[in-house]
Amino acid sequence: QVQLVQSGSELKNPGASVKVSCKASGNTFTTYAINWVRQAPGQGLEWMGWINTNTGNPTYAQGFTGRFVFSLDTSVSTAYLQITSLKAEDTAIYYCARAEVRGEAPIEAPNWFDPWGQGTLVTVSS
Amino acid sequence: AIRMTQSPSSFSASTGDRVTITCRASQGISSYLAWYQQKPGKAPNLLIYTASTLQSGVPSRFSGSGSGTDFTLTISCLQSEDFATYYCQQYYSYPFTFGPGTKVDIK
Repeated sequence: QVQLVQSGSELKNPGASVKVSCKASGNTFTTYAINWVRQAPGQGLEWMGWINTNTGNPTYAQGFTGRFVFSLDTSVSTAYLQITSLKAEDTAIYYCARAEVRGEAPIEAPNWFDPWGQGTLVTVSS
Repeated sequence: AIRMTQSPSSFSASTGDRVTITCRASQGISSYLAWYQQKPGKAPNLLIYTASTLQSGVPSRFSGSGSGTDFTLTISCLQSEDFATYYCQQYYSYPFTFGPGTKVDIK
């Protein structure tokens, strides 16, 4: 049974950077999609994009390019979300979620999301 | 981007009720639709995928139907643990999008 365990809450000043981790346990880390989903306080779910754990190729949703970087360390079965130049509006819970990949590059995409990590609250405030 | 809408946005119900939540996509998504349940302070949990396939371990009182643009999630006999917010999500095309959620609370 795969589990995704995320790093703990972060409090950051505007302009700083943060790196959230998502560690997979219980099964092989390769050949899956790790998706990132943002949930602002009291709001709904917003898909940020995904990274292919086999190829390391990231796909970013519009609005999550530039300051947002997805990466992997397959040696420790961990995916990362780095956000630079943090703004107050980045305050949110960030979830990772695994999915199987359908299709083949360049036309590949994740399927449904399961399981999810427990979420990491990132607070940006001075 | 494909826009997902849900109705109602919230409602009150009693244990034992049969409840139905509707999700509509702004364009056809075949059966590339999932339903998630989220309780306060918790991560979303997958209930249904490919519009009608029940995720392993999810109680059979949950069911999903639909294809194309119109989908429904039905809870046949609402239990106390089902009071939560429900989201639909399309994974047909980028960017993947979620509905705004339907909050089910206790009457």
